[in-house]
Amino acid sequence: DAGVIQSPRHEVTEMGQEVTLRCKPISGHNSLFWYRQTMMRGLELLIYFNNNVPIDDSGMPEDRFSAKMPNASFSTLKIQPSEPRDSAVYFCASSLNIGTSNEKLFFGSGTQLSVL
Amino acid sequence: SQQGEEDPQALSIQEGENATMNCSYKTSINNLQWYRQNSGRGLVHLILIRSNEREKHSGRLRVTLDTSKKSSSLLITASRAADTASYFCATAGGGGYNKLIFGAGTRLAVHP
Repeated sequence: DAGVIQSPRHEVTEMGQEVTLRCKPISGHNSLFWYRQTMMRGLELLIYFNNNVPIDDSGMPEDRFSAKMPNASFSTLKIQPSEPRDSAVYFCASSLNIGTSNEKLFFGSGTQLSVL
Repeated sequence: SQQGEEDPQALSIQEGENATMNCSYKTSINNLQWYRQNSGRGLVHLILIRSNEREKHSGRLRVTLDTSKKSSSLLITASRAADTASYFCATAGGGGYNKLIFGAGTRLAVHP
């Protein structure tokens, strides 16, 4: 089992550029989550999907952020245009089924994003 | 917004000592989970305790849950230098979807 795979591992970009983060969940997992981690705000839940459908995107900070899950094995988080305050580590996590109680999350290694 | 709040924010101990971390939360939960994060890595699940459970053990880990006080504690016994990491509690609330909300974490340093 390869675990949750995120790419790229590191991303450095300039303000105003589009950034796309990618995630491949564990095969067979039906729920996928995007979190953002910063020193100031800790781990924030941005959005989560169940069976490829977005369930709750209330944590998405602004319209500059968008996420998609076109199929069960792939999700993207896009920031357009990016700003320096978006600099953070972005984690993707998956679980068997968020609709079932007592499910644990499996996290990817994260994408360290730096917006200059 | 964060649901769980860990205490202390940082903890420094010697190898062999026990480490206790506390977590408080605000709303009703279905379960509470503890995760560990090594520097520069993703979070790893340690243990889950259901809302109807009071105590749970896993190896050197012991977790307690007091729903009346909305608090939990994680005890690591006989700590090792390899236990150095950040530890987070996360709560899964009620409703149809059990999204996990994480606390700010406790940074544990275990010195050889």
